[in-house]
Amino acid sequence: QKEVEQDPGPLSVPEGAIVSLNCTYSNSAFQYFMWYRQYSRKGPELLMYTYSSGNKEDGRFTAQVDKSSKYISLFIRDSQPSDSATYLCAMSAAGANNLFFGTGTRLTVIP
Amino acid sequence: EAGVTQSPTHLIKTRGQQATLRCSPISGHTSVYWYQQALGLGLQFLLWYDEGEERNRGNFPPRFSGRQFPNYSSELNVNALELEDSALYLCASSSTARDKQFFGPGTRLTVL
Repeated sequence: QKEVEQDPGPLSVPEGAIVSLNCTYSNSAFQYFMWYRQYSRKGPELLMYTYSSGNKEDGRFTAQVDKSSKYISLFIRDSQPSDSATYLCAMSAAGANNLFFGTGTRLTVIP
Repeated sequence: EAGVTQSPTHLIKTRGQQATLRCSPISGHTSVYWYQQALGLGLQFLLWYDEGEERNRGNFPPRFSGRQFPNYSSELNVNALELEDSALYLCASSSTARDKQFFGPGTRLTVL
């Protein structure tokens, strides 16, 4: 079993839709949770960074962490064609530096 | 502020050769990380350097090695290249150990 599971998609939505992206994990030691966006042939760009459980909002993006269920989510409101990319969840344990990534969900927002 | 830079952008090698990949972190960042992104496997942690020392390595064979220079730039060396080493190699940096990691654009290595 992989430490981080992520539905690879692809996910296709109309412009303006609310997008929900999810990851599950098995390692209860994970304390830091991230979402990266990766455009084709580019490096990952850090979108959201959260510690432990709870919600964090930044503009159209909301990250949720539920440690009791080992489940994290990223919501994108009013999705735009420029949001079309692969979204990667990542996490790490306290005191550790190496990130564990999901395989990424490919999102396409149709104008 | 300049981001993480990597060179070369593309690298083509044949099986058995050696590859050297380079990374310059964001100014002021002292930690450098290397990840491999192979098709269908996602990003996998390779190596972490901090203050010139290797601090941690992932589940990769010893032919993957590297170093960090006094100016905090880093080099990843892959010896005895195998076909399955073909991947995008990503470098990330953070301002301190255990801080947020920011990625470069990657070096695409193709082994023929």
